[in-house]
Amino acid sequence: GAGVSQSPSNKVTEKGKDVELRCDPISGHTALYWYRQSLGQGLEFLIYFQGNSAPDKSGLPSDRFSAERTGGSVSTLTIQRTQQEDSAVYLCASSPDGQGGTEAFFGQGTRLTVV
Amino acid sequence: GENVEQHPSTLSVQEGDSAVIKCTYSDSASNYFPWYKQELGKGPQLIIDIRSNVGEKKDQRIAVTLNKTAKHFSLHITETQPEDSAVYFCAEKDTGFQKLVFGTGTRLLVSP
Repeated sequence: GAGVSQSPSNKVTEKGKDVELRCDPISGHTALYWYRQSLGQGLEFLIYFQGNSAPDKSGLPSDRFSAERTGGSVSTLTIQRTQQEDSAVYLCASSPDGQGGTEAFFGQGTRLTVV
Repeated sequence: GENVEQHPSTLSVQEGDSAVIKCTYSDSASNYFPWYKQELGKGPQLIIDIRSNVGEKKDQRIAVTLNKTAKHFSLHITETQPEDSAVYFCAEKDTGFQKLVFGTGTRLLVSP
């Protein structure tokens, strides 16, 4: 595709349910990032994938959060037993190789609402 | 650890005026400094970036300056227009395979 694609664009779920958010990066990009943005706030780093290296999971807020990247392309962010404080926009970005000096491009985000 | 401070948090200017947003970073290994513009309901969009081997870069009405000694970089927007109104984020990244670290954002409002 032409850009980073995220689905769904909006998700409403009941407290306690599990959700999966999907990110399709730009073709050929080896680096993929997940960020979380609460209403009116900044970008909170969650997890970073670079090629076949072990991902940087240092930003995941709890063990309810996990992410996978299959075949070095599509990524899925999973939130188990969702809580109201998980409500936010989840943003995915990709870049060509992840090294310093390479541009990262964002998708439009998935707006998650936990009721 | 990495840290990026961004000021001001909000900035209001009249159409045609200039706007300046400043960021300070702590990681001396940082060598890439992008700026993103985020409009309401959209993902952040890369508008300009600078690498550590240059001190200034300009693209039409926007420019970025970098002072590696002082560890700060700034975004300059001249002849502001209402469509420049958005939230702007600075970020930094070091030489290796590391994540982008973002500033806290500046909400720019350009009044006609």
